[in-house]
Amino acid sequence: GQNIDQPTEMTATEGAIVQINCTYQTSGFNGLFWYQQHAGEAPTFLSYNVLDGLEEKGRFSSFLSRSKGYSYLLLKELQMKDSASYLCAVRTGNTPLVFGKGTRLSVIA
Amino acid sequence: GAVVSQHPSWVICKSGTSVKIECRSLDFQATTMFWYRQFPKQSLMLMATSNEGSKATYEQGVEKDKFLINHASLTLSTLTVTSAHPEDSSFYICSATQGADSPLHFGNGTRLTVT
Repeated sequence: GQNIDQPTEMTATEGAIVQINCTYQTSGFNGLFWYQQHAGEAPTFLSYNVLDGLEEKGRFSSFLSRSKGYSYLLLKELQMKDSASYLCAVRTGNTPLVFGKGTRLSVIA
Repeated sequence: GAVVSQHPSWVICKSGTSVKIECRSLDFQATTMFWYRQFPKQSLMLMATSNEGSKATYEQGVEKDKFLINHASLTLSTLTVTSAHPEDSSFYICSATQGADSPLHFGNGTRLTVT
């Protein structure tokens, strides 16, 4: 079966750094994606990892360890607008993406 | 690039009527599109995979006769919710990808309310 785990909720302070973890157990692996979803809106693509290591894109970075079935999304210099749900998704072969339940991040002043 | 347009953004309909939702890839051809449904505070649930020129592939538990999917061209897929009921009220989101190694891009979603 396919299983993707991420924390349900997190709270962090404006200007701080927060790390959102994702672990997965899937039959096959062909890439891991992170999406941001604000309430009532569709998800927007943040990052894509297919090889081990860190991918940096501005304030956001994503890390992947395939041997551990583990990824994290790192958000730096948090802003209030970063309050959203962050979805971890795995592609297994040619099948559609399998999404985790998402982590609701609340950024407080 | 990779823009996916979904229409309408929201719709309210009476129980028993049908609603059609359109999904278009504006600047790329999508041989495959995906339809998801999301209830409040829950994850995206894949409903079906829409294949251009062939029948859609439905996930377990999704009624193919109730959720009609048509993928008539490389840039357009439609989802029709037939004989809608209040429990069909949800956020429906389509998505498409440019290829196997490309990310999934989502439309803006359609909020359906059945009264």
